[in-house]
Amino acid sequence: DGGITQSPKYLFRKEGQNVTLSCEQNLNHDAMYWYRQDPGQGLRLIYYSQIVNDFQKGDIAEGYSVSREKKESFPLTVTSAQKNPTAFYLCASLRTVNTGELFFGEGSRLTVL
Amino acid sequence: QKEVEQDPGPLSVPEGAIVSLNCTYSNSAFQYFMWYRQYSRKGPELLMYTYSSGNKEDGRFTAQVDKSSKYISLFIRDSQPSDSATYLCLNSGGSNYKLTFGKGTLLTVNP
Repeated sequence: DGGITQSPKYLFRKEGQNVTLSCEQNLNHDAMYWYRQDPGQGLRLIYYSQIVNDFQKGDIAEGYSVSREKKESFPLTVTSAQKNPTAFYLCASLRTVNTGELFFGEGSRLTVL
Repeated sequence: QKEVEQDPGPLSVPEGAIVSLNCTYSNSAFQYFMWYRQYSRKGPELLMYTYSSGNKEDGRFTAQVDKSSKYISLFIRDSQPSDSATYLCLNSGGSNYKLTFGKGTLLTVNP
């Protein structure tokens, strides 16, 4: 089945540690996205990538980093510089830029202890 | 100014009620108006979308765009407890890759 796979689903991290969230897609979509969601909040855009080897900052990129070395993969690193990293992280891919039809993974919940 | 603004609610209604969810948008150049539904602890999924103006109906759901007031609405008729979710709006189009959502409205339909 085609889709977006995020791992791990749950992750605990100590303060000061970097952590990398995985996102893989087999939909053959060029563009991929990372969003952050906090309780009672909508989705806030962290980074997006239109194509391999290219990515742009979203609205809340500080403390995060990404890479896009393969079309299928768009990992997100939450660095120790991110002041409040506990959140629900969602990865998505874009079917066509005209319509904005996004396909989402099931999310990764990061808790910093 | 954000692309879309949405009242985050929460909204609580009895089963069978008609629900109205609303967003305002700022960029008139973007012609697609998307509604996503997100169940608790899950990723959002596309519920329906409209192109340009007018209404689109899909079962109990109707999406409506009013371009004169830059207002988009999602109506749910005969609401069911299974409709309890967060509803997110998105305005998109052209070559715009920076896709930003409204805050989402948390809807609870009580049996």
